[in-house]
Amino acid sequence: GAGVSQSPRYKVTKRGQDVTLRCDPISSHATLYWYQQALGQGPEFLTYFNYEAQPDKSGLPSDRFSAERPEGSISTLTIQRTEQRDSAMYRCASSLGRGAYNEQFFGPGTRLTVL
Amino acid sequence: AQTVTQSQPEMSVQEAETVTLSCTYDTSESDYYLFWYKQPPSRQMILVIRQEAYKQQNATENRFSVNFQKAAKSFSLKISDSQLGDAAMYFCAYTISNFGNEKLTFGTGTRLTIIP
Repeated sequence: GAGVSQSPRYKVTKRGQDVTLRCDPISSHATLYWYQQALGQGPEFLTYFNYEAQPDKSGLPSDRFSAERPEGSISTLTIQRTEQRDSAMYRCASSLGRGAYNEQFFGPGTRLTVL
Repeated sequence: AQTVTQSQPEMSVQEAETVTLSCTYDTSESDYYLFWYKQPPSRQMILVIRQEAYKQQNATENRFSVNFQKAAKSFSLKISDSQLGDAAMYFCAYTISNFGNEKLTFGTGTRLTIIP
């Protein structure tokens, strides 16, 4: 596609519910990143994929968070048993490949509100 | 651990004037990249400019330039001839150059207001 897309753009859920966020990267991009951005803060790294592989999950805050990219294209981020502290903007980015010289292109984000 | 610090939560500048946003970082690495991202009210994240640490020459992109001081671990952004469309949150970010460390580490941002 022309850019990184994310859905839904907004999600309101009740505490304890599971949510799944979707990211559709730029079609030629091998590498995909997930970031969490709390209000008034910069984005914080959660995890990334290189094709289907997930080399780094170090930023996932707890085992309630998981991400998949089964066919090396679309990715989902799932939060189980949501808590109020999970409320944030969740951003996806993609790049041509690994390495800092490849620019990360960001999607518009999904704003998650947990009531 | 690498950290990025933006000490100016808010800045304002008159339209057509020049403004400088500050960023410092802490790292023990010698080879890395630094970035400035813009987040306008639309909440997009747009890359403004980037600097490779091994390059001594400061990066420039039209009205945007950086002052990279490697020894001082300082990376400031200068916006010349400020325009209303420059109003946004600006985030400084850092990443290590080698494979296996792909993540961007961001500062807390500086909100820039342009005064007409």
